[in-house]
Amino acid sequence: KAGVTQTPRYLIKTRGQQVTLSCSPISGHRSVSWYQQTPGQGLQFLFEYFSETQRNKGNFPGRFSGRQFSNSRSEMNVSTLELGDSALYLCASSLAGPNTIYFGEGSWLTVV
Amino acid sequence: QQQVKQSPQSLIVQKGGIPIINCAYENTAFDYFPWYQQFPGKGPALLIAIRPDVSEKKEGRFTISFNKSAKQFSLHIMDSQPGDSATYFCAAYYTGNQFYFGTGTSLTVIP
Repeated sequence: KAGVTQTPRYLIKTRGQQVTLSCSPISGHRSVSWYQQTPGQGLQFLFEYFSETQRNKGNFPGRFSGRQFSNSRSEMNVSTLELGDSALYLCASSLAGPNTIYFGEGSWLTVV
Repeated sequence: QQQVKQSPQSLIVQKGGIPIINCAYENTAFDYFPWYQQFPGKGPALLIAIRPDVSEKKEGRFTISFNKSAKQFSLHIMDSQPGDSATYFCAAYYTGNQFYFGTGTSLTVIP
């Protein structure tokens, strides 16, 4: 059974640009959540989607957005990138609610 | 604010030692407390989890101790091995909400 797949794995963007990250959950999983990981801050929750609806949202500015498609695949978008957005962005999926979540390997974003 | 506080930030032990990582929480609504293990370049992977109606749970060399009255829980790694060198995250969750993660502990096991 394939795990959570995130693309791209690495990317470099310039301040002010926008970026879109993609996540394919484990087959059959309907819940997808996104996290930002930075040194010293641990994992910060961005948002969670279930059946194409955003169910929970963390404490991030509106520049961070996401969506989920009917096949449960999800994308997150960050607009007007700032240097502080440089981080590892992790996607996690779970079968129903986010009781036991399984992480992908993440997308490393560097903003220069 | 940090809903889950984790310590220490880093830990170095000799092979065979028993590293202990501690976490504390405030919200008594939390009803699920997992620990995740993360190797460099990989996403976190679920290691072991506990619910607050149990004071201890063991899975292989990994043990969670849970103190509901103190609102604290800890991870113990018995007979630690160099392959256990990784970053460990505690987390807390309650139904319908989100996961709150600790800031992580970098563990190094010296051969």
